[in-house]
Amino acid sequence: GQQLNQSPQSMFIQEGEDVSMNCTSSSIFNTWLWYKQDPGEGPVLLIALYKAGELTSNGRLTAQFGITRKDSFLNISASIPSDVGIYFCAGRLTGSNYKLTFGKGTLLTVNP
Amino acid sequence: EAGVVQSPRYKIIEKKQPVAFWCNPISGHNTLYWYLQNLGQGPELLIRYENEEAVDDSQLPKDRFSAERLKGVDSTLKIQPAELGDSAVYLCASSLGRGFLEQFFGPGTRLTVL
Repeated sequence: GQQLNQSPQSMFIQEGEDVSMNCTSSSIFNTWLWYKQDPGEGPVLLIALYKAGELTSNGRLTAQFGITRKDSFLNISASIPSDVGIYFCAGRLTGSNYKLTFGKGTLLTVNP
Repeated sequence: EAGVVQSPRYKIIEKKQPVAFWCNPISGHNTLYWYLQNLGQGPELLIRYENEEAVDDSQLPKDRFSAERLKGVDSTLKIQPAELGDSAVYLCASSLGRGFLEQFFGPGTRLTVL
């Protein structure tokens, strides 16, 4: 099936640092969603993007829908310990009948 | 507003035994999804319901997995018989309806097959 390449696989940062992660594909997507998953819990929706070039913020989080429609980026500014978790991108392929494809996730560790 | 509710949260069974998972979606959400999440992976869709109708079950291993959503609200996912490789987290999600891509997940059921 279609794959989303999410990178980096893991990140270790200091509290207060900014974080960037991305999701890429060889296919065109018409929707991107970013989720965060804490241990033992389900993914929680952070940001949804629906148009190429769209830039959307949610507090310290900012995500962008790439102009080529084949990628998306998530930035976290001034990280705090509770940002720890796994961040997943999910995208809807054009013509996929509302099915979301998920990346493998980026594990973020924040050192206080 | 209550989120997606799943039970049980954890289940340990012997291989070849049956197991069932229950999901109650967010009130008013017509679309319900069951996902499988293996360790270190993102969720993978098993089945999607629009109200009572299973509109996408192409990824459901139908020889041992079954699902139902009889009244268009709660749903049950069953495995019979379970195999060692079925050990994973089973996530339920819901969205407002067809065309609404923002999916909201429950906490999942962690299944261990011994």
